[in-house]
Amino acid sequence: LAKTTQPISMDSYEGQEVNITCSHNNIATNDYITWYQQFPSQGPRFIIQGYKTKVTNEVASLFIPADRKSSTLSLPRVSLSDTAVYYCLVGDTGTASKLTFGTGTRLQVTL
Amino acid sequence: SQTIHQWPATLVQPVGSPLSLECTVEGTSNPNLYWYRQAAGRGLQLLFYSVGIGQISSEVPQNLSASRPQDRQFILSSKKLLLSDSGFYLCAWGGQGDGYTFGSGTRLTVV
Repeated sequence: LAKTTQPISMDSYEGQEVNITCSHNNIATNDYITWYQQFPSQGPRFIIQGYKTKVTNEVASLFIPADRKSSTLSLPRVSLSDTAVYYCLVGDTGTASKLTFGTGTRLQVTL
Repeated sequence: SQTIHQWPATLVQPVGSPLSLECTVEGTSNPNLYWYRQAAGRGLQLLFYSVGIGQISSEVPQNLSASRPQDRQFILSSKKLLLSDSGFYLCAWGGQGDGYTFGSGTRLTVV
């Protein structure tokens, strides 16, 4: 399983764009990159998933360079409610993959 | 739509007592099911996963066991709880390209 490395924490002001980068040097050909958001005492919530280039949905964008050894989750104009832990996961979603969660990135948004 | 139910939400149990946490999924068939545990301030640790009825894979040797008596039911058990079993337990299903969906979690405190 590809291991991921993320910053432990990040701080941002409300209204700013936040970019969280994840390194996954050993990503395999069949692996997808998935990001989750977790609030205290809740289960993680799926944010976005991608394989290469750029993926965008209503809440975030995911940028993946050609070598796929890293990825960047971009949150546009964060609000206080975006304060949470963000996890980057890499795995083959086509099988019964055993995704391993790291410690994630704790994002703190303030006024 | 698919939903996942997990109960109870909180549980306080004495050391040495048994444990049974239940997770059920609706709106899908033959899902991959997972049990995770999260210690305070830590990432999620995969405990068990199941690709079908009666099929259980253990990721970490420990004081816990899992069973899947029905297609959409996943149970986490212990015969005798230890203090170290305290944590936030999460059930999840998925892994087929659309990410994982987590239950609301059970906060277990062993006293």
